[in-house]
Amino acid sequence: DIQMTQSPSTLSASVGDRVTITCRASQSITNCLAWYQQKPGKAPKLLIYKASSLESGVPSRFSGSGSGTEFTLTISSLQPDDFATYYCQQYASYSRTFGQGTKVEIK
Amino acid sequence: QVQLQESGPGLEKPSQTLSLTCTLSGGSISGGRYYWSWIRQSAGKGLEWIGRIYTSGSTNYNPSLKSRVTISVDTSNNQFSLKLSSVTAADTAVYYCAREEVATDKVDYWGQGTLVTVSS
Repeated sequence: DIQMTQSPSTLSASVGDRVTITCRASQSITNCLAWYQQKPGKAPKLLIYKASSLESGVPSRFSGSGSGTEFTLTISSLQPDDFATYYCQQYASYSRTFGQGTKVEIK
Repeated sequence: QVQLQESGPGLEKPSQTLSLTCTLSGGSISGGRYYWSWIRQSAGKGLEWIGRIYTSGSTNYNPSLKSRVTISVDTSNNQFSLKLSSVTAADTAVYYCAREEVATDKVDYWGQGTLVTVSS
């Protein structure tokens, strides 16, 4: 299995902050990476696919970058609705794997 | 509007077979543009991909679960199903069904999830 490691596990930030979350793959996954946002009691919501493609309807303050083994999700100006847990997922192999999550908390 | 809805027992006894069904509304499961997936989430292991099925019946499974998992599709009822045998407490999780687009591999629609507890 390809292992996905996110950092940090928890991030404390304020409204208006620029936030960056990192995801590292245990081997190259080219650009086969998605980012999801999850709120308590809800299913994950797709934000980014193919490492940097913004899903339809997702605010432009979300962006993704990276290729190979290192990827980032950036929120340019954190909004109240963005406090949630974020997950990366690789789909380079038939057996998809997720990162362990990054919880974005209010500072 | 595409909607996915999981259904099935919320409690299973150890060693039994967990069975869940996902019903698609607002689209056709036999359209050929999508894989139909199962993903679970537990406190201990986070999000775990279980497997997926294509309309043709072709499947891919997580190697760590492959010996216990069967995913099937029922195009006449616009449903797909998950069976997980020999369950233990470690299989207690929220189970999600989801849609994965063939062209982009993105998982763009998820069901709301259903909690399955394994306990005697």
